[in-house]
Amino acid sequence: GDSVTQMEGPVTLSEEAFLTINCTYTATGYPSLFWYVQYPGEGLQLLLKATKADDKGSNKGFEATYRKETTSFHLEKGSVQVSDSAVYFCALSDRGGYSTLTFGKGTMLLVSP
Amino acid sequence: EAGVAQSPRYKIIEKRQSVAFWCNPISGHATLYWYQQILGQGPKLLIQFQNNGVVDDSQLPKDRFSAERLKGVDSTLKIQPAKLEDSAVYLCASRARQGADIQYFGAGTRLSVL
Repeated sequence: GDSVTQMEGPVTLSEEAFLTINCTYTATGYPSLFWYVQYPGEGLQLLLKATKADDKGSNKGFEATYRKETTSFHLEKGSVQVSDSAVYFCALSDRGGYSTLTFGKGTMLLVSP
Repeated sequence: EAGVAQSPRYKIIEKRQSVAFWCNPISGHATLYWYQQILGQGPKLLIQFQNNGVVDDSQLPKDRFSAERLKGVDSTLKIQPAKLEDSAVYLCASRARQGADIQYFGAGTRLSVL
């Protein structure tokens, strides 16, 4: 079945540092890829998405590129802020009519001033 | 536009008791999902509704979990009887229409089974 593997956390960075969170996937079809973010005490929010190979999703300074050849969708940000502290989930969605999400285990990011 | 509403936010029960969670999706959203998120893990799909019909409940422990979506709007997830391993956050999500790929999540209900 489909699966998503993320780097384990927590990732601890100082403000303005560069962020990379690795994500690789296994899928039988040609999935859409997502990054969701979960702030403390809140539900998951969509951060960005990509639907085909070489697409780059971006939002709030975060970017991720759909790499079909390496089955990866790594999340990056050039300069993190304290407010970016949260748990980040990589996910894929099959392209069937009732597309369901398969999530990774999540990576906690802690940014200190 | 109002988001996905869930209640209660927190629930503490003893094992073998029953509990119910409620979800109101975004208005007009045809697809509704219930996920279980155990601490330190990603959400896992329990059940998916399209309008008021079940389209995927393959990972729902049917001996103790049940869910319904009357009239294709609100949904209720029930656990009876609860076990210690049911302690988790239960997330509800909705999606606008078939073919749309974005799911919108509620804040979740945190269940502790003692």
